[in-house]
Amino acid sequence: QITLKESGPTVVKPTETLTLTCTFSGVSLSTSGVGVGWIRQPPGKALEWLAVIYWDDDGHYSPSLKKKVTITKDTSKNQVVLSMTNMDPVDTATYYCVHIELVSAFHIWGQGTMVTVSS
Amino acid sequence: QSALTQPRSVSGSPGQSVTISCTETSSDVGGYNYVSWYQQHPGKAPKLMIYDVRKRPSGVPDRFSGSKSDNTASLTISGLQPEDEADYYCCSYAGSYTWVFGGGTKLTVL
Repeated sequence: QITLKESGPTVVKPTETLTLTCTFSGVSLSTSGVGVGWIRQPPGKALEWLAVIYWDDDGHYSPSLKKKVTITKDTSKNQVVLSMTNMDPVDTATYYCVHIELVSAFHIWGQGTMVTVSS
Repeated sequence: QSALTQPRSVSGSPGQSVTISCTETSSDVGGYNYVSWYQQHPGKAPKLMIYDVRKRPSGVPDRFSGSKSDNTASLTISGLQPEDEADYYCCSYAGSYTWVFGGGTKLTVL
């Protein structure tokens, strides 16, 4: 059974850098085809895909957020980290960690973590 | 601005069937057959209901089905039940290891 759980600050100030950690179990990021990614959802709005990192350490980003987002992994700790720079109130959202195999679909989701950007 | 367009809302009575459409409005999406559908109840994380256009994950009732014709994917829910009331999102692989979501559809079971 694959599970994922997000952790990180609930409030960040404008211009600060957000760092979120996804800790997962039941799957290894050293297994070919496996990926872990991030998706966010502003309150009352639609889902937005942000980034994904694969077993081969290949990271991919939403074109609109490529300059703002970095995704890294620590295979030994079963963790994936999302960093977002220069946070703005429009980045206020619930951030979800997701499991994917190749490019098919986001099969497993974490519970999500709400991040508010406010001074 | 999403490259996948969904109706904002649909509704149906218990036992009826409803179909939610998802139309690719950008050529960047590329017409890949990696369309997935997610169900989200209020305050909950989304749940995968359909992947690769028409495949159902284990545990998803066969009342849920997916299809695609030209640039429009569809999710059909037959035999509507009260617990089907939720938001539904389509998602498509857009090439180069990127994905795009639709704007979401609120399903109301009357």
